[in-house]
Amino acid sequence: DARVTQTPRHKVTEMGQEVTMRCQPILGHNTVFWYRQTMMQGLELLAYFRNRAPLDDSGMPKDRFSAEMPDATLATLKIQPSEPRDSAVYFCASGPDGTGVEKLFFGSGTQLSVL
Amino acid sequence: AQSVTQLGSHVSVSEGALVLLRCNYSSSVPPYLFWYVQYPNQGLQLLLKYTSAATLVKGINGFEAEFKKSETSFHLTKPSAHMSDAAEYFCAVRSIQGAQKLVFGQGTRLTINP
Repeated sequence: DARVTQTPRHKVTEMGQEVTMRCQPILGHNTVFWYRQTMMQGLELLAYFRNRAPLDDSGMPKDRFSAEMPDATLATLKIQPSEPRDSAVYFCASGPDGTGVEKLFFGSGTQLSVL
Repeated sequence: AQSVTQLGSHVSVSEGALVLLRCNYSSSVPPYLFWYVQYPNQGLQLLLKYTSAATLVKGINGFEAEFKKSETSFHLTKPSAHMSDAAEYFCAVRSIQGAQKLVFGQGTRLTINP
């Protein structure tokens, strides 16, 4: 059963520390999205990639956030330095080429708490 | 810009009763619309989608939604609620700024009373 895998599921860290979240998209999917979910803002798109190239990261705070795809099987989202306002659930989603958002599969998320 | 508004952050119905979750959209072009469900501690799952074909769309788990252009609505319904339907539901529209982007509503938490 193909699924998007995110690690870690939970992360508690102190303000100022670096946080790295990982995502393994479904094999063969070449579009990858990072979303952030908070009570106040709901679901926000942070960045998305196609064929490992960033197409849009306008939703991401550039000074502390970075997103990369070192290879087709791994996407990473880093926060450095982390701040309490970064506390949220971060979701990764992947989709096959040519279908746009119509066939997105979401991971279970990384719940981040920054103290 | 595209947007969706979900009326009611919390909806509570009795088991066996009709479920109605409301979604209104704003779009300057014919929209693609989606409903997702999120169970506790899980990611979002696609329930159904409207992509300019039939206006009544049937999804998984007995849910359906009707696209009404005149009302700019895409409400989600299910004739008879089941306890397992308790979850959070998100309406979303495809952004015209990027065909790969979804704009989500704030979500509606559905509670089922025994």
